[in-house]
Amino acid sequence: QKEVEQNSGPLSVPEGAIASLNCTYSDRGSQSFFWYRQYSGKSPELIMFIYSNGDKEDGRFTAQLNKASQYVSLLIRDSQPSDSATYLCAVNDAGGTSYGKLTFGQGTILTVHP
Amino acid sequence: NAGVMQNPRHLVRRRGQEARLRCSPMKGHSHVYWYRQLPEEGLKFMVYLQKENIIDESGMPKERFSAEFPKEGPSILRIQQVVRGDSAAYFCASSSNRAILYEQYFGPGTRLTVT
Repeated sequence: QKEVEQNSGPLSVPEGAIASLNCTYSDRGSQSFFWYRQYSGKSPELIMFIYSNGDKEDGRFTAQLNKASQYVSLLIRDSQPSDSATYLCAVNDAGGTSYGKLTFGQGTILTVHP
Repeated sequence: NAGVMQNPRHLVRRRGQEARLRCSPMKGHSHVYWYRQLPEEGLKFMVYLQKENIIDESGMPKERFSAEFPKEGPSILRIQQVVRGDSAAYFCASSSNRAILYEQYFGPGTRLTVT
């Protein structure tokens, strides 16, 4: 069974610090990787996606992908209290025709304290 | 706002009743996905549909659950004879048929409570 594992939380960082969120996946054929943010009681919000090895930056967010190690991470620079949420790592299913199906990790709860 | 729309946002059903959840994808999107999030659990894939076709229903429970995405109108997730274990948040997501990466955008969800 294809699995996505995220570093256990909760993760607490002070305001202004860098928050590092990690994710590993079991399916070597996976091609696309996504980070969603979910506030309590709300729906997941797509914040980053990456499909090539290396880094991808968007504002305060940087996604890092290492396919050889089957590892993807999200860095949040200058963390703000408004970043406090659950962060979900999602990996596409590369098998068969269901190339759009996402497998989610269990999520990491991030708290940014003033 | 051309985002993914779901209704109702909250739905209360008694055991044994039917629940119908609706999802309208973002404008220009023709791929729809349904996910379920049980309390204190992660998001689990249920079904992937395109217009008039079920592409992958590997995550659907074998009984009582069905989904459709007709040529006209929203996608519908139907749960017959609901039980308390069906209480969860049901999210619909959509993607563009032109999206190389198939990034999916989620609707606000339907919170189903079975009493």
